[in-house]
Amino acid sequence: QKEVEQDPGPLSVPEGAIVSLNCTYSNSAFQYFMWYRQYSRKGPELLMYTYSSGNKEDGRFTAQVDKSSKYISLFIRDSQPSDSATYLCAMGETSGSRLTFGEGTQLTVNP
Amino acid sequence: NAGVMQNPRHLVRRRGQEARLRCSPMKGHSHVYWYRQLPEEGLKFMVYLQKENIIDESGMPKERFSAEFPKEGPSILRIQQVVRGDSAAYFCASSPDATGVTGELFFGEGSRLTVL
Repeated sequence: QKEVEQDPGPLSVPEGAIVSLNCTYSNSAFQYFMWYRQYSRKGPELLMYTYSSGNKEDGRFTAQVDKSSKYISLFIRDSQPSDSATYLCAMGETSGSRLTFGEGTQLTVNP
Repeated sequence: NAGVMQNPRHLVRRRGQEARLRCSPMKGHSHVYWYRQLPEEGLKFMVYLQKENIIDESGMPKERFSAEFPKEGPSILRIQQVVRGDSAAYFCASSPDATGVTGELFFGEGSRLTVL
């Protein structure tokens, strides 16, 4: 069983839609949760970062963490064609030096 | 302010040859991480280095792979006697301190290795 499970998609939505991306995990030691965005043929860039259960909002993006269910989500409101990318969830332990990534969900927002 | 620089961006090798991938971290960053992305898979941690020290190499294959981050110059990921299964995108990331899991990692654009 993978430590982090993420539906690879692909996910295709019309412009303006609300997008929901999700990851589940099995390692209770994960305390830090991130979402990275990766455009085609580029490196990942950090989108959202949180270390506690609950919601964190940044513009059109909301990250949600439920540690009791070992479940994290990223919501994108009013999605734009420029949001078309692969979204990777990532998690880390307090004492570790590595991030464990999900497989990534490929999102296409159609104009 | 230059970001993380990786070269070469694309590298083609025949089976049995050696591949050397270079990474210059962001200015002021002394912590370097290497990740590998295989087709249809997520990023997998390989190694974490500070200047002249390997801190965590638990993700490195036991044979053929090595990494260094010398006092001067870029970090280098070296793959000896490459096989087709080594074909992947290799990403380098850097951070200003030991925040590899508690803060932001800055990634380069990757080096794509193709083994014929």
